[in-house]
Formats: sequence, C-alpha cells, structure tokens
Amino acid sequence: EPEVTQTPSHQVTQMGQEVILRCVPISNHLYFYWYRQILGQKVEFLVSFYNNEISEKSEIFDDQFSVERPDGSNFTLKIRSTKLEDSAMYFCASSSAGGPYNEQFFGPGTRLTVL
Amino acid sequence: ILNVEQSPQSLHVQEGDSTNFTCSFPSSNFYALHWYRWETAKSPEALFVMTLNGDEKKKGRISATLNTKEGYSYLYIKGSQPEDSATYLCASIYNFNKFYFGSGTKLNVKP
Repeated sequence: EPEVTQTPSHQVTQMGQEVILRCVPISNHLYFYWYRQILGQKVEFLVSFYNNEISEKSEIFDDQFSVERPDGSNFTLKIRSTKLEDSAMYFCASSSAGGPYNEQFFGPGTRLTVL
Repeated sequence: ILNVEQSPQSLHVQEGDSTNFTCSFPSSNFYALHWYRWETAKSPEALFVMTLNGDEKKKGRISATLNTKEGYSYLYIKGSQPEDSATYLCASIYNFNKFYFGSGTKLNVKP
C-alpha cells in the first residue's frame, strides 16, 4: 500500500541553524501539508501546498518557515533559524484532492530537537 | 484559535467491552470532522471523514456520529480488542482548509 515517508526520523540541531525536513508524499497526490506537535500539546496545522504554491498557512507559519517541492517527488519544510521552541514532531501529509472532505495520509513524522 | 476538545483523555477497558468517546468543536463555520487512529510510533491513520449533521459512518466494529448543530461527534468501538489500543484523534475543519485537532483519547484495551 502506498505511504507517505519522511526523513530523517530524528534531527538534532543547534539553535540558529537551518534545518530541512523531507517528505515523499504518495505519488499521485496533489495536495501536501505540514503539521507539528510540540510534546504534550495538540497537533497543529502549519501549511497546505498545491500546484507549487501555499494555499493556506497558520499563524505559526511565519517568515522563518518555507516549503518547497523541489522535484516531482519530495516536499520539504525549511526552518531558517531554529529556536528552542521549534522542537517538536513534524508530520507531513498528502491527499489526492484538497479541502475538508478528503482523507489525508500522514507520514511517521520527524522529531526535531533544537539544543 | 478554535478549541477542539476530546474526552476522556484516556480510557482503560477490558477486551470485549464497548466504549465511546467524544470530540467537541465550535459549530460556527464548520466544514467537516476527521477521526484518526494513531498507534505509538506509527502514522495517524484516517478512520472517518464526517460532513453532514446526523452523519453516521461505520468501519467494522468502529462507528462515528456527528451533530454539527451542537458541535460534537462520538466514536464508538463495539467489543474492544487489544489491537484497538491507540490514541483516537479528531480534527475539525474550518474555512475550508484549516484543521484544528483535539488532544486525543488514549485507549488501552486489556486482554
């Protein structure tokens, strides 16, 4: 069964460094998402992406964040200058169609630890 | 920020028991509600997408209902099995594409 994959599974970085989290969505999916879960808190929506542009973003998704689909298979989340509070699990998801009525398929997550 | 609440936070039941838990959400500008099953160290897995008031969905022993007017959804598990042990997460969708998640209900089914 097709699945969303994410690499790395765990990333440790120093405060102020840039990180890139990678996702490979399901191959025929067109809509891509990033979420995060800070330890002990709720899963939070960050951004949705379609047709090579951001379609929706949350208040959390400020200028330090960016997303890109650099080729036909990868979908990346870049955090420019990491802060301690960026430590969280980051989940990628994809769906074949956008909007509220379509199932999203999640990856296993990348645990980001900022020291 | 919209507040989606789930209760209880955790639940311990015996194998064979039936159980249910709740997801409460603001009903204004509501579009849909998603239920997910999330096992430890795995990806959240979509269970149901609920859209209409009075909607009821079923998948095997698991079913869900939706009341959009009063802002709640119930998830039912009939005859719980140890393999049902997981966190059950709901997400309510507003403004077409903004997902707001609850904290989850952690279910533990003892053999």
